Amino acid sequence: SQTIHQWPATLVQPVGSPLSLECTVEGTSNPNLYWYRQAAGRGLQLLFYSVGIGQISSEVPQNLSASRPQDRQFILSSKKLLLSDSGFYLCAWKVDFQSGYTFGSGTRLTVV
Amino acid sequence: RKEVEQDPGPFNVPEGATVAFNCTYSNSASQSFFWYRQDCRKEPKLLMSVYSSGNEDGRFTAQLNRASQYISLLIRDSKLSDSATYLCVVNRPGGYALNFGKGTSLLVTP
Repeated sequence: SQTIHQWPATLVQPVGSPLSLECTVEGTSNPNLYWYRQAAGRGLQLLFYSVGIGQISSEVPQNLSASRPQDRQFILSSKKLLLSDSGFYLCAWKVDFQSGYTFGSGTRLTVV
Repeated sequence: RKEVEQDPGPFNVPEGATVAFNCTYSNSASQSFFWYRQDCRKEPKLLMSVYSSGNEDGRFTAQLNRASQYISLLIRDSKLSDSATYLCVVNRPGGYALNFGKGTSLLVTP
């Protein structure tokens, strides 16, 4: 069966520090992978998505980046965190064009 | 206009009640529709897909009206465990991503 792993679960980082969040998927190949952020009291915002190794589409940000070094690995990074980067970061994958997402358990990031 | 709009609620209902949530979407070319459930501080989880003819899964019934660009979710015989936020989700035409509504909060009380 397919599983998605995301870590860490919780992170507290100072402003200006770097960030690296990792997501891996097991039990499938060539998944579409996604990074979403959910700020407090707000909806899910798509940050990046990838349909293959090395292919990254960026939706929004500014000081965040994503990479897909392996088929089932998706990494979200920042060189310098801002207070506004606080939120609940969710990695997701989907089987095909018509299917819904399966989300990882998320990382709750607080920038202080 | 937002891609997916939902009434944020909260909906407070007693156990055993029937409750309905509505959602509208802006892009008439969307083809895939879903309802997700999100518990407090947890990841969203797929509740059910929504098909053109309407579909049912136990106490949950989803309906789609393409002409009105409207999706609904009906929960019958509400349980305390149904308390959560329900997210309406629509695919982006021509792309690989999904758009999420901000969710409707449901609280089922004893």
